[in-house]
Amino acid sequence: GAVVSQHPSRVICKSGTSVKIECRSLDFQATTMFWYRQFPKQSLMLMATSNEGSKATYEQGVEKDKFLINHASLTLSTLTVTSAHPEDSSFYICSARFGGSYNEQFFGPGTRLTVL
Amino acid sequence: AQKITQTQPGMFVQEKEAVTLDCTYDTSDQSYGLFWYKQPSSGEMIFLIYQGSYDEQNATEGRYSLNFQKARKSANLVISASQLGDSAMYFCAMREGLVNDKVIFGPGTSLSVIP
Repeated sequence: GAVVSQHPSRVICKSGTSVKIECRSLDFQATTMFWYRQFPKQSLMLMATSNEGSKATYEQGVEKDKFLINHASLTLSTLTVTSAHPEDSSFYICSARFGGSYNEQFFGPGTRLTVL
Repeated sequence: AQKITQTQPGMFVQEKEAVTLDCTYDTSDQSYGLFWYKQPSSGEMIFLIYQGSYDEQNATEGRYSLNFQKARKSANLVISASQLGDSAMYFCAMREGLVNDKVIFGPGTSLSVIP
């Protein structure tokens, strides 16, 4: 099956620093990648949709200047949390799909961000 | 407005028994897709089953089956012969339309399998 990786799996940073999370599709070309955020014991909330080579589409209420998304190639998307604060601490999960995979999204293992 | 509703925050089932997890959805699109995902404590999202809005047959994947009632806008997941490893969070999700790629998730149901 299609594999999506995320790096790092866990990161702890100080308040005010920026953190970059990578999402890679390992064995397919991802035309679209999605970034989700999940607080403890809650559901996945879609943050943004990114298509290769174009600007990400952010969901309502998500600050685009705070959460920078770059989908530079068909196998890599990055999420940068800028000037992170403790309230940004969360589980961030990416997923990817390729053209024709209408019936499935392939999820990465997630990145747990803790901002001190 | 909540697009996907899962009314059971937590469920218990005896090992080897069957269990039904409820999901209702709201959409005005004719074309849409419904998904179920499992999330164990490790956090990974595991795809279980998919049902397209035009699929006439209920989807089945091994021990998982989806009871799709289009008129009632429900897509319940049935797990047969529950195993201890089935204990996890289960999320119902929906993709609206064929060109809109977004998949949104319901609040989830925590399933605990009792030995």
